[in-house]
Amino acid sequence: AQKITQTQPGMFVQEKEAVTLDCTYDTSDPSYGLFWYKQPSSGEMIFLIYQGSYDQQNATEGRYSLNFQKARKSANLVISASQLGDSAMYFCAMREGWLTGGGNKLTFGTGTQLKVEL
Amino acid sequence: DAGVIQSPRHEVTEMGQEVTLRCKPISGHDYLFWYRQTMMRGLELLIYFNNNVPIDDSGMPEDRFSAKMPNASFSTLKIQPSEPRDSAVYFCASSWGSNQPQHFGDGTRLSIL
Repeated sequence: AQKITQTQPGMFVQEKEAVTLDCTYDTSDPSYGLFWYKQPSSGEMIFLIYQGSYDQQNATEGRYSLNFQKARKSANLVISASQLGDSAMYFCAMREGWLTGGGNKLTFGTGTQLKVEL
Repeated sequence: DAGVIQSPRHEVTEMGQEVTLRCKPISGHDYLFWYRQTMMRGLELLIYFNNNVPIDDSGMPEDRFSAKMPNASFSTLKIQPSEPRDSAVYFCASSWGSNQPQHFGDGTRLSIL
């Protein structure tokens, strides 16, 4: 089974609207972390937001928030008030077992290409 | 603060040549990672170091690939001999501690002809 699943290969949103990018994960480890990264067309990978499996509250960073539903194993990224500069590929990633010292590897999903339109 | 610095940004070389990619992590970070990104396989972890020691190299494709971290501020990923299927974008990333975000360099776009 895929550890990280991003089912939306492409999304369109109008400027100033909110958009939700889906991410589901699969792990049996009780301790894990979930990350979102943005990759613009220029190619760099930009860290956006992090959610730990034991965090009680959903993570927020400016216009980015993470809708964390542990029972459903989903960690959707919400971008509010979309801007043209938000057009990019977005990757969800998971790190398992940091408490148990299981490693520091990130497993990435296949990404969602977001296009913000006027 | 300076981010993760990778060099070169672009490399084009012929099959069979040795390729060396370089990375300077963020100062103070104790973890360093090498990733490869291709259209077919997405982002894959190749190897990572903790305090300059290789921890997991299970993602290294084959013996043609090797990575070193001689000190806390420098790492190399070497391919010898290179093959066209090695063409990809190679990213270096670093982090502080085991539960902190990884910060990526701008990547090296490698083309093997």
